Amino acid sequence: SAVISQKPSRDICQRGTSLTIQCQVDSQVTMMFWYRQQPGQSLTLIATANQGSEATYESGFVIDKFPISRPNLTFSTLTVSNMSPEDSSIYLCSVEEWGTDTQYFGPGTRLTVL
Amino acid sequence: SQQGEEDPQALSIQEGENATMNCSYKTSINNLQWYRQNSGRGLVHLILIRSNEREKHSGRLRVTLDTSKKSSSLLITASRAADTASYFCATDEGQGGSEKLVFGKGTKLTVNP
Repeated sequence: SAVISQKPSRDICQRGTSLTIQCQVDSQVTMMFWYRQQPGQSLTLIATANQGSEATYESGFVIDKFPISRPNLTFSTLTVSNMSPEDSSIYLCSVEEWGTDTQYFGPGTRLTVL
Repeated sequence: SQQGEEDPQALSIQEGENATMNCSYKTSINNLQWYRQNSGRGLVHLILIRSNEREKHSGRLRVTLDTSKKSSSLLITASRAADTASYFCATDEGQGGSEKLVFGKGTKLTVNP
C-alpha cells in the first residue's frame, strides 16, 4: 500500500494568515486528492490534483481560497488562504493505488485558526 | 454531497461482542470502501468491496454489499477496546471511472473493556 506523509501534522494559526500543507507519497501516482474534515463531521472532497494540469475543485471550494500545486507525481501542496476560524479542520490528502481502486490517506493536518 | 449514510451514528458495546455498522448510498457504484479513524487522526483503509461482490472477509472484519438495496454492512467480531474508533463507508461515484470518494457520516464505535 502507498505510504503517505503530511506536513505539518498540526498547526495553530492566526486569522487572516495562510498555511501550506505538504503531501508526499512514496510512489508515483496520477491523481492526488485533498479532503477536509470539519470538527465532528465526515470528509468532504476539496479538489483533485493531476500532475501538470490545474486542480479540479468541488462545488463550494475555489482556487483563490485553496490553491493547490502538483509539481511532480509524488508531491502536492494545499494552501488554506486568508484563514478564519471556520477553516479549523483536519485536512487530508489521499491517493489511489494503481490497479486496485483502493484509496489510501495521509495522517492528516489538524488546523486550528484563532 | 453525502452519498453514504451510516447507522447507527454511535454504538457502544462490551469487549468480546460483535459490532455491526450499516451504510446506505444513493447512486450506482463501482466499489465501496470502509475506513477506520482513531480520534481525529488519519484514515486507515479496512476493506474494499466491488459492486459484483456480495461478501468479503479480512481477519475479524466481514463486509457485505447489497446493490439492490444500495447498502453495505461492516461486522467486527470479537471486538476489542482497540477497535474503538469512528468507521466510515465511502463510495466512488460510479460515473466515467471517477476516482473521487463520497463519504458517509460515520459510526462512532466505543468498545468498553
